[in-house]
Amino acid sequence: DTEVTQTPKHLVMGMTNKKSLKCEQHMGHRAMYWYKQKAKKPPELMFVYSYEKLSINESVPSRFSPECPNSSLLNLHLHALQPEDSALYLCASSQDPGLSETQYFGPGTRLLVL
Amino acid sequence: AQKVTQAQTEISVVEKEDVTLDCVYETRDTTYYLFWYKQPPSGELVFLIRRNSFDEQNEISGRYSWNFQKSTSSFNFTITASQVVDSAVYFCALSEATGSQGNLIFGKGTKLSVKP
Repeated sequence: DTEVTQTPKHLVMGMTNKKSLKCEQHMGHRAMYWYKQKAKKPPELMFVYSYEKLSINESVPSRFSPECPNSSLLNLHLHALQPEDSALYLCASSQDPGLSETQYFGPGTRLLVL
Repeated sequence: AQKVTQAQTEISVVEKEDVTLDCVYETRDTTYYLFWYKQPPSGELVFLIRRNSFDEQNEISGRYSWNFQKSTSSFNFTITASQVVDSAVYFCALSEATGSQGNLIFGKGTKLSVKP
């Protein structure tokens, strides 16, 4: 089973709202990732969690705040977003961190910031 | 310079045609991995294949086949007898030893449209 789930599927929020995106995997993977994908562009890495610790933050603005409550869950807290943050947010997981590991992606959350 | 180049932005074929999606990569590492992912309109990136730099064997999986040639730094993907369900954006990606952990370097993607 290579399933990564994400909720919600769609989210519309105002610039003053606070919302959270949720990602879950039950494959026993120890690395989890957040990506942002704008229309007609490839995914861009935002954060990497390795063994529940934040290991990579690709210079993401502080209005995006990741959290890894346990090895199966990954959240992305959103606050004071801008319209240009509207995008598809993809979560992924892999068995371990590292260059050889295959990342398995969830269906994504389509975010619209008004 | 782009590390992963997918020169074909969009390809349109008629069902049952064969189609090849090109991927050219650039790396100085001797150890690296190449991936292909499919992204249908629903948005989910679906893993198709992983190949390491030491394994140049071509691979076939049903209607899909991959041709890895280190001499030309290419990892091309062929769909035989294409079907409408193959319509999607296909991404080629590179993972390097010297890259940051977990950083998949994606090409810009090729949008494949298969018409009935």
